[in-house]
Amino acid sequence: AQSVTQLDSHVSVSEGTPVLLRCNYSSSYSPSLFWYVQHPNKGLQLLLKYTSAATLVKGINGFEAEFKKSETSFHLTKPSAHMSDAAEYFCVVSLRNNDMRFGAGTRLTVKP
Amino acid sequence: NAGVTQTPKFQVLKTGQSMTLQCAQDMNHEYMSWYRQDPGMGLRLIHYSVGAGITDQGEVPNGYNVSRSTTEDFPLRLLSAAPSQTSVYFCASKLGGMGGTYEQYFGPGTRLTVT
Repeated sequence: AQSVTQLDSHVSVSEGTPVLLRCNYSSSYSPSLFWYVQHPNKGLQLLLKYTSAATLVKGINGFEAEFKKSETSFHLTKPSAHMSDAAEYFCVVSLRNNDMRFGAGTRLTVKP
Repeated sequence: NAGVTQTPKFQVLKTGQSMTLQCAQDMNHEYMSWYRQDPGMGLRLIHYSVGAGITDQGEVPNGYNVSRSTTEDFPLRLLSAAPSQTSVYFCASKLGGMGGTYEQYFGPGTRLTVT
């Protein structure tokens, strides 16, 4: 069975410090992986995606994620947090039948 | 392009009532889906469709019905609303095809309360 686990339900950082949101997946074949962001009372926006090309993926707003097959991880990072980054972040694994499975989400708080 | 649109934005139902949540997309996407979002559980797939006339169940299909008569529209019907169906509902669409490498585009959501 394919699934995704987000290891932290809440992460709090200070503005200007690095962000790390952790995601592990399980899949019986090479997956497609995505990170989405949801700002309060808004829909979901794609940050970045991995689809078996380069293992380091760059996304919007300075976010990056690295696909590590040996660790079955796809952690999201950003060198310097901004107040506008405060939101809920979802790691998603895409299944062969076009289904997508979401992690439970990580709420990012950015302190001034 | 309007992208993915959903109506209504908010809805309050009494237990036992039925209603239809509307979803439309103008990107000519083959694949459309419905999710519900509950606190601490991420988004869970209710039903999906890979093209007009083809639908299938997701993780949590009970109490919901769908049909896909056109490429553009994918309505979600609640047959007899229950308080457990209080949630935020998102419709999404993407290009189809095998492998699932395409990202989904999400609508703005419908906040449903069942009393």
